[in-house]
Amino acid sequence: AQRVTQPEKLLSVFKGAPVELKCNYSYSGSPELFWYVQYSRQRLQLLLRHISRESIKGFTADLNKGETSFHLKKPFAQEEDSAMYYCALGGSTGANNLFFGTGTRLTVIP
Amino acid sequence: DVKVTQSSRYLVKRTGEKVFLECVQDMDHENMFWYRQDPGLGLRLIYFSYDVKMKEKGDIPEGYSVSREKKERFSLILESASTNQTSMYLCASSGTGPTGELFFGEGSRLTVL
Repeated sequence: AQRVTQPEKLLSVFKGAPVELKCNYSYSGSPELFWYVQYSRQRLQLLLRHISRESIKGFTADLNKGETSFHLKKPFAQEEDSAMYYCALGGSTGANNLFFGTGTRLTVIP
Repeated sequence: DVKVTQSSRYLVKRTGEKVFLECVQDMDHENMFWYRQDPGLGLRLIYFSYDVKMKEKGDIPEGYSVSREKKERFSLILESASTNQTSMYLCASSGTGPTGELFFGEGSRLTVL
């Protein structure tokens, strides 16, 4: 069965401190993993996907198949990073449906 | 820019009422989805559709139905609303491009009294 676990519901860090949002997954096939972000009063949007191996807004995420993890990291948090973050796992059908984790609310303290 | 528009941002309904939530996308996307978003539970897929008149159950379809008569429009129907359906409902669409890029609407917050 497909499952995405985000163990932290809330995470607070000080501005300039490193931040890591944890995500673990369970999937028998080859996973496709994503991070979505929802800023206050904005719609949910794609932040990054593992296959692109890109850095967006200073965030990176590496897929670790051995640990079945896809943690989101940023070396120096900014106040504008405060948002709700969801890890998502690509489904097995062809319709691009995703399984989302329960989300982590990140607060960056000035 | 992809635009996914949900017609109602806020609704208040009474138990037993029929509720329609409408979603329209303007990017000619094949796939459309309805999720509900609840604190501590994340997003859970209710139904999705990969073509006109086609629909597939998601993880929590009970108490819901959907309609996709036109490619751009995907409706979520609550035949008889109940208080446990009070939630934020998110519509999303995606094309045949890279997997995982869902484009979301702003959400419809439904309160059932």
